[in-house]
Amino acid sequence: EAQVTQNPRYLITVTGKKLTVTCSQNMNHEYMSWYRQDPGLGLRQIYYSMNVEVTDKGDVPEGYKVSRKEKRNFPLILESPSPNQTSLYFCASRLGLARSTDTQYFGPGTRLTVL
Amino acid sequence: AQSVAQPEDQVNVAEGNPLTVKCTYSVSGNPYLFWYVQYPNRGLQFLLKYITGDNLVKGSYGFEAEFNKSQTSFHLKKPSALVSDSALYFCAVRALMDSSYKLIFGSGTRLLVRP
Repeated sequence: EAQVTQNPRYLITVTGKKLTVTCSQNMNHEYMSWYRQDPGLGLRQIYYSMNVEVTDKGDVPEGYKVSRKEKRNFPLILESPSPNQTSLYFCASRLGLARSTDTQYFGPGTRLTVL
Repeated sequence: AQSVAQPEDQVNVAEGNPLTVKCTYSVSGNPYLFWYVQYPNRGLQFLLKYITGDNLVKGSYGFEAEFNKSQTSFHLKKPSALVSDSALYFCAVRALMDSSYKLIFGSGTRLLVRP
């Protein structure tokens, strides 16, 4: 089944403790991205990657890192989490940049709470 | 600035009645517009998109959306609402920003369909 998977789905952690949220897609998509969803703000893009070893900042990159060593994986890293990073995180992927392939597929979400 | 606006935080409708969820956009060039739905504890699911052609776009679960260029709107509609349509709906527009295409999301509209 074609899908985007994220782990963990739920995480409670403390300020300053490094964490990684994994994302994997099995559709051979070139483009992957991370969003955070906050009430009243919709989805805001954190980072995106157009292909392996190519990553760029989105709208709210501060406090986050990503890597794209393989096409299928795009982990989100919080080196020193803070309470304002408490949010619902979504990973997404799409085939490429051409107009006909713009449909994005989303993972199930990771609810992160930073105490 | 390129943006998407969903003016209603919540829409309430009785089962069997028609529903409309509003979306307006501001983007440079031709707009590519999308609707996504988020059910509780789930990721976003693609509903429909407008790229070009017929202004009335049909999508999943009986939903449709009407593109109106003069009003810069892309309202989501359904002739007869179901209780199971209750969810969070996001409108999005593809925008060219910093030499790459990104999806800009609205803040979301919660649809409540009462029996």
